[in-house]
Amino acid sequence: QKEVEQNSGPLSVPEGAIASLNCTYSDRGSQSFFWYRQYSGKSPELIMSIYSNGDKEDGRFTAQLNKASQYVSLLIRDSQPSDSATYLCAVYNAGGTSYGKLTFGQGTILTVHP
Amino acid sequence: EPEVTQTPSHQVTQMGQEVILRCVPISNHLYFYWYRQILGQKVEFLVSFYNNEISEKSEIFDDQFSVERPDGSNFTLKIRSTKLEDSAMYFCASSITSGYNEQFFGPGTRLTVL
Repeated sequence: QKEVEQNSGPLSVPEGAIASLNCTYSDRGSQSFFWYRQYSGKSPELIMSIYSNGDKEDGRFTAQLNKASQYVSLLIRDSQPSDSATYLCAVYNAGGTSYGKLTFGQGTILTVHP
Repeated sequence: EPEVTQTPSHQVTQMGQEVILRCVPISNHLYFYWYRQILGQKVEFLVSFYNNEISEKSEIFDDQFSVERPDGSNFTLKIRSTKLEDSAMYFCASSITSGYNEQFFGPGTRLTVL
């Protein structure tokens, strides 16, 4: 069973702090990794994608990938109350018989308090 | 900015009835997907669709489910005989490729089976 696990949360940080969200995955053949943000009652919104080991920065967001450790993380700098949401880690393995299936973690609830 | 649209936003049906959920993917995307999310649970893959064929389906996607692209813009999910446990949010998503596979989600249809 290919699993994606996220740190359980909920995670509460003060406004302006760095929020750190973690995700591990079991399928060593996974090639593409995504972070989605989901506000309550809404759909997942893609905020970051990463495919190679290392860091990828986009504004206040940095995704980090370590394929050897099967670990991907998301850092949110200068956290704002509007960042309060559930963050979903999703993993894709393009090899074998997979044609597009994203496997999601259970999500980490982030609350940024003023 | 182009986006995935879904109708209806909320569907209430009686157990045993057929429902059709509709989606209009982003216009230049070639790969289409359905996911569902039961309240409080993970986002789960149902099916992927490319070139008018199902590419991959999950164990959830049994004979009660079918998908169709009836014209050049719509993508539908049909549930033939709904069960109570089909109550969930159903999300349509689309992507340009299956390789790097950035999937963009629609707003979802909340299906309530009574």
